[in-house]
Amino acid sequence: GAVVSQHPSWVICKSGTSVKIECRSLDFQATTMFWYRQFPKQSLMLMATSNEGSKATYEQGVEKDKFLINHASLTLSTLTVTSAHPEDSSFYICSAAGVSTDTQYFGPGTRLTVL
Amino acid sequence: AQSVAQPEDQVNVAEGNPLTVKCTYSVSGNPYLFWYVQYPNRGLQFLLKYITGDNLVKGSYGFEAEFNKSQTSFHLKKPSALVSDSALYFCAVRDIGGDYKLSFGAGTTVTVRA
Repeated sequence: GAVVSQHPSWVICKSGTSVKIECRSLDFQATTMFWYRQFPKQSLMLMATSNEGSKATYEQGVEKDKFLINHASLTLSTLTVTSAHPEDSSFYICSAAGVSTDTQYFGPGTRLTVL
Repeated sequence: AQSVAQPEDQVNVAEGNPLTVKCTYSVSGNPYLFWYVQYPNRGLQFLLKYITGDNLVKGSYGFEAEFNKSQTSFHLKKPSALVSDSALYFCAVRDIGGDYKLSFGAGTTVTVRA
C-alpha cells in the first residue's frame, strides 16, 4: 500500500515552454501533497504544500507564479513549471500524506532538463 | 522549529558488517521520526518511523532504529549490511503537534563493499 506515482519520469523541454508534472496517490486518499526539489547529492528542498481543494502554501523564496500547483482531487496534484529556464532543471519529487497516515510517501521523481 | 543533523556525509562498511547511520534531531515538542532511503534517480522509499511506544523500531529490509530521547538521537542500524544497501539515507523529523511538514537531514551516502 501507500504508492505514489509521478508522470513523466523525465522530460526535456526548450527554454520558455511550460511543463506539467503529475503526482498521484494510487491506493490512498492524499489530503496533503508536497512538492520538493532536489539538486545532485543534496537533500530535499520543500517548495510547497498543497491541500485538496485549497491554494498551495509556498515556501519562502519559491515563486508561486512560476511553479503553479493544483490539488484538485484527493489523488492528484500537479506542478506546472511555467516559462521554464535552464536554471529550473532539477529533480522534482512529490509526496503525499493522508488522513489515516502520519507518514509521507514519495513518488519516484521527475527529472526536468531545460535546454 | 525543528531540524535534523546527520553528522556523516559518508559511511563505508564491508558486506556482512554492522551498519550504523547517525541522526540527531531538535523539535519543540514530541517528535515523529522517519528514515528514508534513496537510490540513484529515484524518489525516497520509506524505511521506518518512530511515533510512540517501544524505542526500538523495526522497519523494511532488516533495518531498525533506536529512539533515544535523552540524546535526541534516532540512529539507523542494520546488523549485517548488503552491497544492495548502498544508497543515500535521509533522516527526517516533524513535531507531533505540527503539520505534516518534514525537516530532512543532509543525507548520508552509504557504500557497502563486497
